Amino acid sequence: ETGVTQTPRHLVMGMTNKKSLKCEQHLGHNAMYWYKQSAKKPLELMFVYSLEERVENNSVPSRFSPECPNSSHLFLHLHTLQPEDSALYLCASSRTFGGGSFYEQYFGPGTRLTVT
Amino acid sequence: AQKVTQAQTEISVVEKEDVTLDCVYETRDTTYYLFWYKQPPSGELVFLIRRNSFDEQNEISGRYSWNFQKSTSSFNFTITASQVVDSAVYFCALRSNQGGKLIFGQGTELSVKP
Repeated sequence: ETGVTQTPRHLVMGMTNKKSLKCEQHLGHNAMYWYKQSAKKPLELMFVYSLEERVENNSVPSRFSPECPNSSHLFLHLHTLQPEDSALYLCASSRTFGGGSFYEQYFGPGTRLTVT
Repeated sequence: AQKVTQAQTEISVVEKEDVTLDCVYETRDTTYYLFWYKQPPSGELVFLIRRNSFDEQNEISGRYSWNFQKSTSSFNFTITASQVVDSAVYFCALRSNQGGKLIFGQGTELSVKP
């Protein structure tokens, strides 16, 4: 059992809805991540937060809006999504993000999102 | 540029067979880190191992073993006497010592049949 939880585990939403995904880590880590995993595709890094500041944004459409109110919580706000946004969204955390140290990322169970 | 290649998209074996999952990486860094993760059907990625580029010792953990060959830029993963519970997608990943993100391979889907 890892120390990263995600809610909800499953979400079905229409294209005009607004919803949020929540991630919480209980590991005392300083970095948190959002990944998208589509069927038959590799993991795509979406956002990285280090010490509550966004340090990476990989050309993600603005209909995805992350929020990191503190080092333990990470949200992904969703609005006016498209069917191609249907995927497994994974949250992860690690001790640090910066160089000069090695670390592992610990993942949550993911939210299976379906956009209808 | 950094890249991780897992050429085997899918592997199917019968229980108790040994199976090796291949991972080849590209990096210009002299110091870097390699990882293996397991993703069972439940979806969560489970960390299996981290290896530093300056440590080429192979590692064994129960039925799992890892062969790191810097000369061929490979970090292969072997499961001995496979079991049905080993069925999952396995990801190899690379991280630079300069900091930054993990670069994941495309994953290898392992199916172990009884």
